[in-house]
Amino acid sequence: SQTIHQWPATLVQPVGSPLSLECTVEGTSNPNLYWYRQAAGRGLQLLFYSVGIGQISSEVPQNLSASRPQDRQFILSSKKLLLSDSGFYLCAWSVFSYEQYFGPGTRLTVT
Amino acid sequence: GNSVTQMEGPVTLSEEAFLTINCTYTATGYPSLFWYVQYPGEGLQLLLKATKADDKGSNKGFEATYRKETTSFHLEKGSVQVSDSAVYFCALRVEDSNYQLIWGAGTKLIIKP
Repeated sequence: SQTIHQWPATLVQPVGSPLSLECTVEGTSNPNLYWYRQAAGRGLQLLFYSVGIGQISSEVPQNLSASRPQDRQFILSSKKLLLSDSGFYLCAWSVFSYEQYFGPGTRLTVT
Repeated sequence: GNSVTQMEGPVTLSEEAFLTINCTYTATGYPSLFWYVQYPGEGLQLLLKATKADDKGSNKGFEATYRKETTSFHLEKGSVQVSDSAVYFCALRVEDSNYQLIWGAGTKLIIKP
């Protein structure tokens, strides 16, 4: 069966520091991968999606970037965090069909 | 454009009450419709789905029927439990969308014992 991992689970970072969040999927090949952000008490905002290695589409211009160095690995990065980057970051995958399956999330607090 | 509108929360009910969370949509073509649930501090889980008009999705006592004539996909449960307290998201997918989903804002459900 397929599983999706995200780490770290929680992260507290100062403003201006770099960020790297990792997501890996097991048990499937060539998945579509997604990064979402969820601000406190808010809905989901799609940040990036990827349909293959090295293929990244950005939905929202910001100081975040994403990379997909391997088929089942998706990384969210920032060179300098802003206070407004605080939130709950969710990675998701889908393959062939259309429902998306989510990881447990990373709670990021920028101080 | 494509969009999903959910009733605003929080929705507060007593245990064993009947639940309805409204979801309406605007979409081109023939979308697929989904309900996801997010328990506190966790990621989202697919709760149920429907892929064509008049389909009924069901899971864990929850049901939703794809109503094309009213462009709705309301979530219902006959008798809620405290453990159903969560945020519920309605979403749709349209064809040729690279499998992207259009999300509603979410409805927080609070069940009191």
